Amino acid sequence: DAMVIQNPRYQVTQFGKPVTLSCSQTLNHNVMYWYQQKSSQAPKLLFHYYDKDFNNEADTPDNFQSRRPNTSFCFLDIRSPGLGDAAMYLCATSRAGPYEQYFGPGTRLTVT
Amino acid sequence: LAKTTQPISMDSYEGQEVNITCSHNNIATNDYITWYQQFPSQGPRFIIQGYKTKVTNEVASLFIPADRKSSTLSLPRVSLSDTAVYYCLVEGTASKLTFGTGTRLQVTL
Repeated sequence: DAMVIQNPRYQVTQFGKPVTLSCSQTLNHNVMYWYQQKSSQAPKLLFHYYDKDFNNEADTPDNFQSRRPNTSFCFLDIRSPGLGDAAMYLCATSRAGPYEQYFGPGTRLTVT
Repeated sequence: LAKTTQPISMDSYEGQEVNITCSHNNIATNDYITWYQQFPSQGPRFIIQGYKTKVTNEVASLFIPADRKSSTLSLPRVSLSDTAVYYCLVEGTASKLTFGTGTRLQVTL
């Protein structure tokens, strides 16, 4: 089945130790999104790619970076995780335009 | 910037129809309204999307009045498995992609 896959599902990192979360899709969608969702809050968009074009949200900290080497894969790099970065990180894809987003299961990041 | 406002929580009994309203006063001409469902520890799941009037699919209906400043998600005959958080999202070229606070629906017997 076509889907959005996120690895790992659970990630533990130490304060200040760089971490990379990955997302892959078999839907061949143009757009890929990264969201941060903290406990009992709505998902917050960090950035998205329209094909290779990177779109960063104005309030996304510089500590968060992203790479999209090809259509299928997208990575979220957190350069120096702080305790406040502990959250669920959701990857989503969609066709270009206001079409439905397909979300992955998320990666729960713990920072110790 | 089309900000959305939803009730924080709703309660319903199994078998009833549930209507969740979302306010989006600043919706732009090119914006669409999309609703997602989210269960704990899972990613949101698309329910329905519309631009105006009424849209219906196999799980829900979406009612959008002519001024498009609000929308109502209607879930017919809810079951316990519909207990989840429901998000209204306004999206389009003119609007920042922002989820509202979400409505936590609790369905009981």
